[in-house]
Parts: sequence; C-alpha cells; structure tokens
Amino acid sequence: AQKVTQAQTEISVVEKEDVTLDCVYETRDTTYYLFWYKQPPSGELVFLIRRNSFDEQNEISGRYSWNFQKSTSSFNFTITASQVVDSAVYFCALSEYTGTASKLTFGTGTRLQVTL
Amino acid sequence: DTAVSQTPKYLVTQMGNDKSIKCEQNLGHDTMYWYKQDSKKFLKIMFSYNNKELIINETVPNRFSPKSPDKAHLNLHINSLELGDSAVYFCASSQDFRVAGGSHDGETQYFGPGTRLLVL
Repeated sequence: AQKVTQAQTEISVVEKEDVTLDCVYETRDTTYYLFWYKQPPSGELVFLIRRNSFDEQNEISGRYSWNFQKSTSSFNFTITASQVVDSAVYFCALSEYTGTASKLTFGTGTRLQVTL
Repeated sequence: DTAVSQTPKYLVTQMGNDKSIKCEQNLGHDTMYWYKQDSKKFLKIMFSYNNKELIINETVPNRFSPKSPDKAHLNLHINSLELGDSAVYFCASSQDFRVAGGSHDGETQYFGPGTRLLVL
C-alpha cells in the first residue's frame, strides 16, 4: 500500500525566513507521481507542483523549490523568504495509476504559520 | 472562469436527511473524483469516474452514491445522513492519461472549492 508521511504537523516562522516542508513516501510502483498542494485558510486545494519518478531534477519556481530524492523516497518543499500569504496547510501526495484514473494518497499535511 | 465548481458551498442538515452535492468541471477532463476531508484535515479518496464509468470505489458506506450524468458532472448523493458524515467534500478532475497522450498532466487532479457538510 502507498503511504505518504509528513512528520511536521505545524511549523511557525517569521516572515522572510526560509522554511522546508518534509515529505517521505512509500510505494512499490516503479512509475509514480508526486504532488504538493496548498490549502489556504479559505479552504480550497491549490495544485503547486507535480514530479514523476523518472525526473529527479530539482525545480525552482520563484520563491518555491522542490528537492526530489528517490534514494531516500523524499520530496521536500522549500519556501524562500516566506510571506504571510504563504500561511496554509501544505499536502504532499502520491499517485497510484489504476489504468484509467490516478488515485491520490495524501499525507496528513503540514500547517505553516508565517507571522510578521 | 471556474475550472471545477461545486454546489452548495455549505450544507447544514439534520441527521437522517438525504442530501446531494453537485460538481461540474469545464476543463474537458474525462475523469472525476470525490474526496472527503475530515476534521483533522485528512484527505481520502471516495470515488472516481472515468467517462461516466465508476473506476474507483473505496470503502465507503452504501449510503453514498455517486452519479455521473455526463463526463463533465459528478454528483454525490448521501442517504440517511449521520453525524460522522460531517466533513468537507472535494470534487476533482483530471485528464485521462491516455487521452493526454501520455503527458504528465494526465496525472494532475484539479480540485473544486469544497462543500462543507455539517450534520446536526
């Protein structure tokens, strides 16, 4: 069975600090996808990034960067120079492809609180 | 333009009632999903439909019945509501991996705004 672990339940930082959210996953699949979603206080789920198991190249998008390491089954997410608007719950997710649909297994989420 | 929409946004009802939540996507996707987020924020898949056909049916009570009149709509009907059904229900959609030409985007699920259900 697939499993996603986000060991950090809550992180609090002061604005402009860098923060890394950890994600560790378990799967028997050789091909899989990993995702990060953001859930701000308003409640919607916002897709941030997708990474497939064959592409370990790290990615940077503005203040966001992702570090995918297959050897340690980790897909960590770093926010540089955090802002109050980054305050949200962040979910890491792993997909299991069933043939016609992908089923997402979510971690329990990390609540990030950015204060002034 | 709203990609994935759900109605209603809030639903407050009495135990034992029957209620429906509607979901529509205008992304042209073939696959739609229902997820449940409990009070501890844990998200779990309930159902998935591909082109109106049920693909994924997790261990969900029979009181929950999804219906897909066409591939742009996936509704969720709940009979005999119980206190434990209180949660946020999210609809999502994705492109069929095969239709996407094997493109990575076929794996990405886009979520609606959620329906907050409170059973009293």
